[in-house]
Amino acid sequence: EAQVTQNPRYLITVTGKKLTVTCSQNMNHEYMSWYRQDPGLGLRQIYYSMNVEVTDKGDVPEGYKVSRKEKRNFPLILESPSPNQTSLYFCASSFRGQVYSYEQYFGPGTRLTVT
Amino acid sequence: GQQLNQSPQSMFIQEGEDVSMNCTSSSIFNTWLWYKQDPGEGPVLLIALYKAGELTSNGRLTAQFGITRKDSFLNISASIPSDVGIYFCAGQLDKGGSEKLVFGKGTKLTVNP
Repeated sequence: EAQVTQNPRYLITVTGKKLTVTCSQNMNHEYMSWYRQDPGLGLRQIYYSMNVEVTDKGDVPEGYKVSRKEKRNFPLILESPSPNQTSLYFCASSFRGQVYSYEQYFGPGTRLTVT
Repeated sequence: GQQLNQSPQSMFIQEGEDVSMNCTSSSIFNTWLWYKQDPGEGPVLLIALYKAGELTSNGRLTAQFGITRKDSFLNISASIPSDVGIYFCAGQLDKGGSEKLVFGKGTKLTVNP
């Protein structure tokens, strides 16, 4: 089944404790992206990757890191989480350079709470 | 940054009614996408539109890409309880093939049985 998977789905952590949220897709998509979703603010892009070893900042990158060592994986790293990073996070992926390149497919989400 | 104005913010309807929601912008878009998000889940792609004026259906859902390329609407006919959720529009700007999408803030749909 074609899908984007994220782990963990739920995470409660404390300020300053480094964490990683994993994202994996099995559709051979070149483009991958991380979003956060907050009430009243909608979906905001954190980082994106056009292909392996190519990453760039989205609209709200502060406090986050990403890496793209393999095509299928795009982990989101919070080196020192703070309470304002409490949010619902989504990973998404799509093809590039094709007619349907803009059809992004989303993972199920990771609900993060930082206390 | 770029914004999409999505309306209405919320709708409360009776089962069997038709629903209409739309997104507008001051910018020109190459692509319009409509997503549905169920509580606790990720957005699921419903319909993708690629040409100005295009009208596309997916079951009871119909979406159109506005002629001006600055707007799109989504209609749901004969609503049922499982239509409950948040519907998002997303647009890809007319800027040299970037995959970046701009999202509306969503329309929350409640269907009363």
